[in-house]
Amino acid sequence: GEDVEQSLFLSVREGDSSVINCTYTDSSSTYLYWYKQEPGAGLQLLTYIFSNMDMKQDQRLTVLLNKKDKHLSLRIADTQTGDSAIYFCAEQPGEGNDMRFGAGTRLTVKP
Amino acid sequence: SAVISQKPSRDICQRGTSLTIQCQVDSQVTMMFWYRQQPGQSLTLIATANQGSEATYESGFVIDKFPISRPNLTFSTLTVSNMSPEDSSIYLCSVTGTGPFPGHYGYTFGSGTRLTVV
Repeated sequence: GEDVEQSLFLSVREGDSSVINCTYTDSSSTYLYWYKQEPGAGLQLLTYIFSNMDMKQDQRLTVLLNKKDKHLSLRIADTQTGDSAIYFCAEQPGEGNDMRFGAGTRLTVKP
Repeated sequence: SAVISQKPSRDICQRGTSLTIQCQVDSQVTMMFWYRQQPGQSLTLIATANQGSEATYESGFVIDKFPISRPNLTFSTLTVSNMSPEDSSIYLCSVTGTGPFPGHYGYTFGSGTRLTVV
């Protein structure tokens, strides 16, 4: 497809794990990102992964990359109410090139 | 990584008027970008702000509607001209530079300007 695709909504209970999925478009994309947007705020870079990696873990965050299927996922362990936000997947073919964003997944964490 | 100050954070404007959004960075940066985020949608690149020359616009965006200035390496403005309700969006400034991760050259975003046109 032409677009970076994400499901629009995800709802989990506090303490559960959240998994947000993304399908990107360009198999040559060098960098893949996850951004978080809290209400009324700009985009905050959460984490990124290089295309030569399959997995990256950073505290409660785990990023998995399947290059064959052009699939990227973000797992948040022990999800908290403060994790409620919109999460954007983005790809970048190379440094200095334009980024392409998904539509964002709105994560709602219920107590 | 760079720290961006974007003003105003929000505004409500009358149809037919213009609004200028400012983006100030705390360090010199190579590239500055302006994005639009329409309600419930993803980010769309409007243009790349070039220091000392005309901005580079993406398909569907024109200079008459979105004039951009970039007088130096730390400052840029985006004007939304002759506004209509369809221009109601969040407008974000973004810069590239050394990111928060060692060896990474990435993007930083401002907090955005939430524009409502009535």
